[in-house]
Amino acid sequence: EDKVVQSPLSLVVHEGDTVTLNCSYEVTNFRSLLWYKQEKKAPTFLFMLTSSGIEKKSGRLSSILDKKELFSILNITATQTGDSAIYLCAVGPISGTYKYIFGTGTRLKVLA
Amino acid sequence: NAGVTQTPKFRVLKTGQSMTLLCAQDMNHEYMYWYRQDPGMGLRLIHYSVGEGTTAKGEVPDGYNVSRLKKQNFLLGLESAAPSQTSVYFCASRDRGTGELFFGEGSRLTVL
Repeated sequence: EDKVVQSPLSLVVHEGDTVTLNCSYEVTNFRSLLWYKQEKKAPTFLFMLTSSGIEKKSGRLSSILDKKELFSILNITATQTGDSAIYLCAVGPISGTYKYIFGTGTRLKVLA
Repeated sequence: NAGVTQTPKFRVLKTGQSMTLLCAQDMNHEYMYWYRQDPGMGLRLIHYSVGEGTTAKGEVPDGYNVSRLKKQNFLLGLESAAPSQTSVYFCASRDRGTGELFFGEGSRLTVL
């Protein structure tokens, strides 16, 4: 059965801390892994990863994929209160379909 | 720049009532999805569509029906609502080129 597991489920840090969020997956015929940030409403796109070892960066956020060990990490450096959100990881499209499977998300709270 | 629009944004139903959620996208995307989000469960796929006139089941399809009569619209129906269908529903569409999913702002449904 295809699945995506995120850890930790929740995390509380102080402004300025660095956090690492994890996403592991078990799917047949991996195509891509996506990270999203969800504040109050719609998830917003952060990164799409398809190749191992190539880091993607956007400001203080970065992400990398390991296709051998079947996981990805999302790093946030110098956290700010505006980083407080649920971070979602998804894998897809699943081979033979066009489905995307999401993990349960990591709820991050950054304290001032 | 509308993107993905969901209506209604909020709805309260009594057990046994029916309703339809509408998702409209203006990006000419072929693929559209309906997810539900419950606390601690992440996003779970209900149904999806790979083009006008086609639909397919996701992970949790029971109690829901869908239709895609026009490319830009994807409707999610509840024929006889149950309290277990209380949730936040998200519609998404997929960019065929990049594989990125674009989400609507969600529809909060409460079934009493």
